[in-house]
Amino acid sequence: GDSVTQMEGPVTLSEEAFLTINCTYTATGYPSLFWYVQYPGEGLQLLLKATKADDKGSNKGFEATYRKETTSFHLEKGSVQVSDSAVYFCALSGDFSSGSARQLTFGSGTQLTVLP
Amino acid sequence: DAGVTQSPTHLIKTRGQQVTLRCSPISGHKSVSWYQQVLGQGPQFIFQYYEKEERGRGNFPDRFSARQFPNYSSELNVNALLLGDSALYLCASSLASGFRGSYNEQFFGPGTRLTVL
Repeated sequence: GDSVTQMEGPVTLSEEAFLTINCTYTATGYPSLFWYVQYPGEGLQLLLKATKADDKGSNKGFEATYRKETTSFHLEKGSVQVSDSAVYFCALSGDFSSGSARQLTFGSGTQLTVLP
Repeated sequence: DAGVTQSPTHLIKTRGQQVTLRCSPISGHKSVSWYQQVLGQGPQFIFQYYEKEERGRGNFPDRFSARQFPNYSSELNVNALLLGDSALYLCASSLASGFRGSYNEQFFGPGTRLTVL
């Protein structure tokens, strides 16, 4: 079945540092890939997405590129802020041929703390 | 516009009891999905409902059931609660179920925190 493996946390960075959170996946065909963010006490918010190979999703300075050859979707940001402190989840929605297109499969999450 | 709403916010139950969680989707959304998020883990898919019919089910026991009403709101029921059912239960809504060949973005509510003692 589908699975997502995410970089173990927690990650602690200083403000303005470069961020990378690794994410790799296992799925048949061409899944859609997502990064969600969860702030303390809140639900999940979609941060960015990519629905086909080589697509780059971007939002609020965050970027991730759908790499089919390495089955990866690493999250990057050039300069993090204190307000970026949250838990980040990589997720996929399966290819329609796999029957898992209607559900999201999540990684275990990476806690990011940015210090001033 | 109101987002996805869930009630109650927090709930404490004892083992063996039954619980009902409620979700109201974004206006115009016809699909509701339920996820269980155990502390320190990513959410796990429980159910998807579209147009009042179950369209997908995750690997959860029959103690878990759900339904969707004509106004597209939904309830998740869990019977014979176990300590391991303690989790944040998330509801997500989307315009459709994704079966027409395109992904429909899922919008999540704030969740219901269930504690089983």
